[in-house]
Amino acid sequence: DAKTTQPNSMESNEEEPVHLPCNHSTISGTDYIHWYRQLPSQGPEYVIHGLTSNVNNRMASLAIAEDRKSSTLILHRATLRDAAVYYCILRDVDGTYKYIFGTGTRLKVLA
Amino acid sequence: DAGVTQSPTHLIKTRGQQVTLRCSPISGHKSVSWYQQVLGQGPQFIFQYYEKEERGRGNFPDRFSARQFPNYSSELNVNALLLGDSALYLCASSLGEPYNSPLHFGNGTRLTVT
Repeated sequence: DAKTTQPNSMESNEEEPVHLPCNHSTISGTDYIHWYRQLPSQGPEYVIHGLTSNVNNRMASLAIAEDRKSSTLILHRATLRDAAVYYCILRDVDGTYKYIFGTGTRLKVLA
Repeated sequence: DAGVTQSPTHLIKTRGQQVTLRCSPISGHKSVSWYQQVLGQGPQFIFQYYEKEERGRGNFPDRFSARQFPNYSSELNVNALLLGDSALYLCASSLGEPYNSPLHFGNGTRLTVT
């Protein structure tokens, strides 16, 4: 199974940028890197995804290493509403449609 | 637009009983996936259906089953409930094709087995 490794927790000050790292050394050539976040008492929410090149959307940016063995989710200005568990996930390499979630990174935003 | 809806939101069952959870995908989405999330852990894949066919199954016992209806809604059934089945059950829908289209999750059904 494709696996990702993330720090258990991170802290950031409000209004500052946040860089959330993810390692995925067993990624296959056609796997997309997806990021989701989960707020308390809610289902996971899609944030961003990419394949090879960096991606931007209204929520965040995704920076993908050239060898694709790691990626970084960038929140440009953290707000209190960004406090959540952030999951970096890959489509499973065995050809099924499942996504394997790790334990994620719990982001705490300080006012 | 309505998001993914799941029912019921909360459920309490006794060991040995059976439970059925329901999911309505976003309009136009043909793929539905089910995940189990135990407290403190990330979601674990149970099933994925696309166009009413099972496309993937996670490492769950045969007590877990699911199906997808012609309107793309889905049900997850769990028989002979165990205490360890207590969890948040999440349904996610996606376009299905391309296969990397993002998942859209509902807020889940909280199942408590006593």
